[in-house]
Amino acid sequence: GDSVTQMEGPVTLSEEAFLTINCTYTATGYPSLFWYVQYPGEGLQLLLKATKADDKGSNKGFEATYRKETTSFHLEKGSVQVSDSAVYFCALSERAGNNRKLIWGLGTSLAVNP
Amino acid sequence: GAGVSQSPRYKVAKRGQDVALRCDPISGHVSLFWYQQALGQGPEFLTYFQNEAQLDKSGLPSDRFFAERPEGSVSTLKIQRTQQEDSAVYLCASSLTATGRGDTEAFFGQGTRLTVV
Repeated sequence: GDSVTQMEGPVTLSEEAFLTINCTYTATGYPSLFWYVQYPGEGLQLLLKATKADDKGSNKGFEATYRKETTSFHLEKGSVQVSDSAVYFCALSERAGNNRKLIWGLGTSLAVNP
Repeated sequence: GAGVSQSPRYKVAKRGQDVALRCDPISGHVSLFWYQQALGQGPEFLTYFQNEAQLDKSGLPSDRFFAERPEGSVSTLKIQRTQQEDSAVYLCASSLTATGRGDTEAFFGQGTRLTVV
């Protein structure tokens, strides 16, 4: 079945460092890809998405490019801030059928130190 | 309302007790999902509603789990005879569309943390 594998955490960075969180997927069709973020004490929030190959999703300085050839959707940010400390989840949703359920990675915890 | 609302936020149940978890989706949202998130894990799909119809319940772990959305709005996830392995955060999400598009954002509630003792 479909699956998502993302880089294990925790990841600890200093403020203004470069961030990469790797995400690869396995899917039988042509999924949409998402990054969700969970800040401490809050619910999951959509960070960015991409719906087809070579699309780039971006938001709040974060970017991820849908790479069909490598089945990847790595999350990057050029300069992290303390406020980016959170758990990041990579997820996919199949385009076929009526069920838009999300298949999730395990999550990667990010801590940014001042 | 402004977002997806779940209640209670926290629930402690004795093993064997029945529990009911409520989800109020965003008004007008057609699709509603329940997920289970164990500690340190990603969410796992439980069930999906399109309006009042339960189109997919393949993720429900046992027949002790039951979900309903009788009027196509509020949904309740019921767990009968709770077991310790049911301890998790139960997440509800809603999205606007009911079409075959896979790119519609799902909005999540803050979840209900269930602890079975």
